[in-house]
Amino acid sequence: AQSVTQLDSHVSVSEGTPVLLRCNYSSSYSPSLFWYVQHPNKGLQLLLKYTSAATLVKGINGFEAEFKKSETSFHLTKPSAHMSDAAEYFCVVSPPNAGGTSYGKLTFGQGTILTVHP
Amino acid sequence: KAGVTQTPRYLIKTRGQQVTLSCSPISGHRSVSWYQQTPGQGLQFLFEYFSETQRNKGNFPGRFSGRQFSNSRSEMNVSTLELGDSALYLCASSWVALAGADTQYFGPGTRLTVL
Repeated sequence: AQSVTQLDSHVSVSEGTPVLLRCNYSSSYSPSLFWYVQHPNKGLQLLLKYTSAATLVKGINGFEAEFKKSETSFHLTKPSAHMSDAAEYFCVVSPPNAGGTSYGKLTFGQGTILTVHP
Repeated sequence: KAGVTQTPRYLIKTRGQQVTLSCSPISGHRSVSWYQQTPGQGLQFLFEYFSETQRNKGNFPGRFSGRQFSNSRSEMNVSTLELGDSALYLCASSWVALAGADTQYFGPGTRLTVL
């Protein structure tokens, strides 16, 4: 079984300051991990993904995340927030192997709403 | 390359009716997954199709069903609509969805409102 916990339901930052969105996961296997972003009334856009190649993953729009197995964490960071970053962010886990109850099934965290103040 | 498209974007139905939602995956993608997004339950997996076969199903009642066509386009159907079915329904496509090997790309969703 696998699960994802996003530790903050809301995060508020000022434009130009760093962003930290926290995510802890639980998985029986070595998982694949993703961060997606959802702007209002839009679908989900992939920011970045971790698939065991490197623990520090760089994504689009200046975001990056670090996989820490010992802490079972996959926190998302950005050095300087922009107004356009305001959105809801989802940490997502997927099992590494196909088969049975794994096919196509992503498990989502509850989401973190990021507000950016001017 | 065109992204995942979903039609219609918005839908209003009344209780007891049925509804069909459509999803066209990215060209070349053969796996289509469906998710329901609500404020209370968040994003929940409905089912996944590959080569016209349902390979996986989430914990939803039998009123929720789907199918996939030979061109990988997919439809989902909800019969006997209930107020609680009001949600954003998201479709995602990937090459073969090897559960972790593939990235799922999402469409814009269909907003269903049940009155």
